[in-house]
Amino acid sequence: GAVVSQHPSWVICKSGTSVKIECRSLDFQATTMFWYRQFPKQSLMLMATSNEGSKATYEQGVEKDKFLINHASLTLSTLTVTSAHPEDSSFYICSARTGGGLPGPQHFGDGTRLSIL
Amino acid sequence: GQQVMQIPQYQHVQEGEDFTTYCNSSTTLSNIQWYKQRPGGHPVFLIQLVKSGEVKKQKRLTFQFGEAKKNSSLHITATQTTDVGTYFCAPQGAQKLVFGQGTRLTINP
Repeated sequence: GAVVSQHPSWVICKSGTSVKIECRSLDFQATTMFWYRQFPKQSLMLMATSNEGSKATYEQGVEKDKFLINHASLTLSTLTVTSAHPEDSSFYICSARTGGGLPGPQHFGDGTRLSIL
Repeated sequence: GQQVMQIPQYQHVQEGEDFTTYCNSSTTLSNIQWYKQRPGGHPVFLIQLVKSGEVKKQKRLTFQFGEAKKNSSLHITATQTTDVGTYFCAPQGAQKLVFGQGTRLTINP
């Protein structure tokens, strides 16, 4: 089945640090990937849609300068949390769909737990 | 965008009891997907429903899509401890998936 790999799994860093999270589709090409954030005991909230070769589409209320997304190839999207602060601590998960037709299942990475001290 | 309300938020059952979670929308949905997220894990795709009145079964799990395509349900017969987790419904729009609030299922063995 389709596999999405996300790295790193855990990040603990000081306030003010920038953190980069990678999301890779291992056995398929993904022109579109999605980035979600999940706070404890809450649902997944879509942050942005990452499009290969073009700018990401951000959801309302998500700061594009704070959460930089780069989708440089058909198998890799990165999310950089710039100048992270404790309120950015969360579980960040990426996903991608196989196939070009709609609709279709999304395959999720294992997620990245980000803790900002 | 398409938004859904999912109920209940929490459900605690004895092992062997049945469980149902409901997903309701004020607008007609083109499709709906269901995902399961185990504690500490990531969402895993369970099923996709597209047709009005559609019913699909996966072993002890039964998924339904309403005739008006405004609601959906997931029913688990005779729950087992492996069913623990949060179940999300998610309609998929042209591009993106929007998750409901989820129903957290806990089970007393």
